[in-house]
Amino acid sequence: AQTVTQSQPEMSVQEAETVTLSCTYDTSESNYYLFWYKQPPSRQMILVIRQEAYKQQNATENRFSVNFQKAAKSSSLKISDSQLGDTAMYFCASNTGGNQFYFGTGTSLTVIP
Amino acid sequence: EAEVAQSPRYKITEKSQAVAFWCDPISGHATLYWYRQILGQGPELLVQFQDESVVDDSQLPKDRFSAERLKGVDSTLKIQPAELGDSAMYLCASSLVDLGRGETQYFGPGTRLLVL
Repeated sequence: AQTVTQSQPEMSVQEAETVTLSCTYDTSESNYYLFWYKQPPSRQMILVIRQEAYKQQNATENRFSVNFQKAAKSSSLKISDSQLGDTAMYFCASNTGGNQFYFGTGTSLTVIP
Repeated sequence: EAEVAQSPRYKITEKSQAVAFWCDPISGHATLYWYRQILGQGPELLVQFQDESVVDDSQLPKDRFSAERLKGVDSTLKIQPAELGDSAMYLCASSLVDLGRGETQYFGPGTRLLVL
């Protein structure tokens, strides 16, 4: 089974600053997908960004970007210009193209005004 | 924008009682997932449907949990009897096709269950 590790249970960042959330995963597959999901307090989980392992280019979505290090099996999420609405739990997840979708334990991010 | 619907949003029950959760995926989504999320942890897959067929229920405690998606659209997850350790958030998600193609899952708001 795959494992996804998020070693930062809690983080905080000043509004407008940049923060990076870490994620490592374990897989023997060569092609797979990595996801970052955001779960705001009492609200549903939504996709932030997706990275395809066979693409060398790091994924970017507005203020969110991934630093994908395939050899190190690492996928970090960088949030630029942090906003109060970014306060949430962030989950890293992996999918190798089979049925299973593995989530990490999450990082609780607080944006401080 | 289409969303995954779940009901109820909150459920309080006593142990040994039966509970049922309902999920309506985004229209046209063939794949439906039920996850359990214990406080402070990431979601864990309980069961996955492709249309009306179960694709993966290896983590579903089948002695007390059951799930069905009879017409390949909405789905029901049942627990009977409920135990204290079942207290958790139950999330439903759907995707257009099998995750084998790296499709994005869309999550519903969840049902928070408290077993007393």
